[in-house]
Amino acid sequence: DVKVTQSSRYLVKRTGEKVFLECVQDMDHENMFWYRQDPGLGLRLIYFSYDVKMKEKGDIPEGYSVSREKKERFSLILESASTNQTSMYLCASSEGQSYGYTFGSGTRLTVV
Amino acid sequence: DAKTTQPPSMDCAEGRAANLPCNHSTISGNEYVYWYRQIHSQGPQYIIHGLKNNETNEMASLIITEDRKSSTLILPHATLRDTAVYYCIVRWSQGGSEKLVFGKGTKLTVNP
Repeated sequence: DVKVTQSSRYLVKRTGEKVFLECVQDMDHENMFWYRQDPGLGLRLIYFSYDVKMKEKGDIPEGYSVSREKKERFSLILESASTNQTSMYLCASSEGQSYGYTFGSGTRLTVV
Repeated sequence: DAKTTQPPSMDCAEGRAANLPCNHSTISGNEYVYWYRQIHSQGPQYIIHGLKNNETNEMASLIITEDRKSSTLILPHATLRDTAVYYCIVRWSQGGSEKLVFGKGTKLTVNP
């Protein structure tokens, strides 16, 4: 069964810490995405990547950066975590326009 | 980006068909309509997608109007496990990059 795996299910970090959220897919997909999900706001796109070392800003990139050094891995980085980055973070991958996305189970990040 | 409009909530009796509407009046010719659902605390799950023609798979049917400005997801025999938030999404693409733009979805409650 194809999978998108997020390294942590729950994470608690302190304000100002540098945080890495890791996502790995085993489907050889070109495209990978990071979303955050907040009550009442739905899913919002942070960054996406359509190739190794390529990245595009989504709708809310401020306070985040990403890294895609290998095709299967897409990392989301919070340079200096803040309490307003407490959220559920979802990673997804897809093969292209006419294919569905596969989502990971999510990482619930709490910044205290 | 093309946006979608869905009712915030719907109810359905177990065993009956659930018909979930979606408006996407600004959709352009090369944009697909996707449906996902999300059960509490899990990542979104792909259901079905289409471009112009109606589609059916083992989970659901997708009916797209001829002008492509709206669509309906049909769960033919809803079960309690179909209780979830359902997202209708138009897939945006430009050049080599593409992304899903999520709305707030419809919370479907299947009642016994």
